[in-house]
Amino acid sequence: EPEVTQTPSHQVTQMGQEVILRCVPISNHLYFYWYRQILGQKVEFLVSFYNNEISEKSEIFDDQFSVERPDGSNFTLKIRSTKLEDSAMYFCASSEVGESTYEQYFGPGTRLTVT
Amino acid sequence: AQKITQTQPGMFVQEKEAVTLDCTYDTSDPSYGLFWYKQPSSGEMIFLIYQGSYDQQNATEGRYSLNFQKARKSANLVISASQLGDSAMYFCAMRLNYGGSQGNLIFGKGTKLSVKP
Repeated sequence: EPEVTQTPSHQVTQMGQEVILRCVPISNHLYFYWYRQILGQKVEFLVSFYNNEISEKSEIFDDQFSVERPDGSNFTLKIRSTKLEDSAMYFCASSEVGESTYEQYFGPGTRLTVT
Repeated sequence: AQKITQTQPGMFVQEKEAVTLDCTYDTSDPSYGLFWYKQPSSGEMIFLIYQGSYDQQNATEGRYSLNFQKARKSANLVISASQLGDSAMYFCAMRLNYGGSQGNLIFGKGTKLSVKP
């Protein structure tokens, strides 16, 4: 069964450093998402991406964040200058269609620890 | 504003018994989908069940069923015959389908279910 993959599974970085989190969505999916879950809290939407551009973003997704689909398979989230409060689990998700009736498939997540 | 409320931070259930996890939602949009995800301690998000706002029947998937009461705006998850492996966090989520939206999910705070042997 096709699945969303994410690398790395765990990333430790120092405050102020740039990190790139990588995702490979399911191959025939067209809509891509990043979500964040701070430890013990609910999952929060960051950004959605369709047709090679950002469709929607939340207030969390400020200028420190960017997303890119550099080739036909990868979907990346970059944090330019990490802060301690960026420590969280980051989930990538993809969906075949953007409508509410379609499931979003989540990757296993990348746990980001900022020290 | 769209919102998902899960009022039970933690629940206990005896193995082999049924348990209901509560979820209420708030939206004025007529078209939406409701989802339940399971998050075990390993951290991944596992899709369990889906209910569309126009679906007439309650969704069922194996031991999972969704008690959808549209007038009350509730979408409770029922797990029958609980197993030890059901111990996890459970998140209710809503996905809207309004003009221009690409359908991001809005999550509740989750319910931690513990199954006792």
